[in-house]
Amino acid sequence: AQTVTQSQPEMSVQEAETVTLSCTYDTSENNYYLFWYKQPPSRQMILVIRQEAYKQQNATENRFSVNFQKAAKSFSLKISDSQLGDTAMYFCAFMTSLIQGAQKLVFGQGTRLTINP
Amino acid sequence: DTEVTQTPKHLVMGMTNKKSLKCEQHMGHRAMYWYKQKAKKPPELMFVYSYEKLSINESVPSRFSPECPNSSLLNLHLHALQPEDSALYLCASRPHSSGVTEAFFGQGTRLTVV
Repeated sequence: AQTVTQSQPEMSVQEAETVTLSCTYDTSENNYYLFWYKQPPSRQMILVIRQEAYKQQNATENRFSVNFQKAAKSFSLKISDSQLGDTAMYFCAFMTSLIQGAQKLVFGQGTRLTINP
Repeated sequence: DTEVTQTPKHLVMGMTNKKSLKCEQHMGHRAMYWYKQKAKKPPELMFVYSYEKLSINESVPSRFSPECPNSSLLNLHLHALQPEDSALYLCASRPHSSGVTEAFFGQGTRLTVV
């Protein structure tokens, strides 16, 4: 079974600083997909960034980038020039391969990130 | 249209009530998911539908009964719930593909069982 671990329950930084959220996972699969989702107080889960395991190049989306270390099974999220609107719960997620005709999306425990003015 | 719409947004029900949660998407997605999320916890997978057929049931109690009447609609029927079932119920959808396609989530239904 796949597991996702986020070791930082809470983090807090000042606006405009850079922050890195950690995520490790365990799987025996070779091809899989990883995601970072953001859940603000509005409750809506919003995709931040995604990474295919077969791609060595780290994904980047504007101020958000990942450090994907496949051998170490590590998938950290870096937020540059943090903004107040980045305050949210961040979940690292793993997409399994097909199981019984469907793919599961499994979440880590989450990191509550607060950006202070 | 990239929305997953869940209704109602809030629901309070007694332990003897029968109610239903509704989820709708018009993105042509053929995989649909129900998750349960307790406060300050990650979403926990309950059910996965693939092409309108139940593919995965994560050992969910029978007081939760999912239904997928068509490719756009997913229901969760609730009966004889317990107070510990109070939670945020999230619906998600994604294309049925082995490629890297993210799941789109609704805003959830906040359920309180009294």
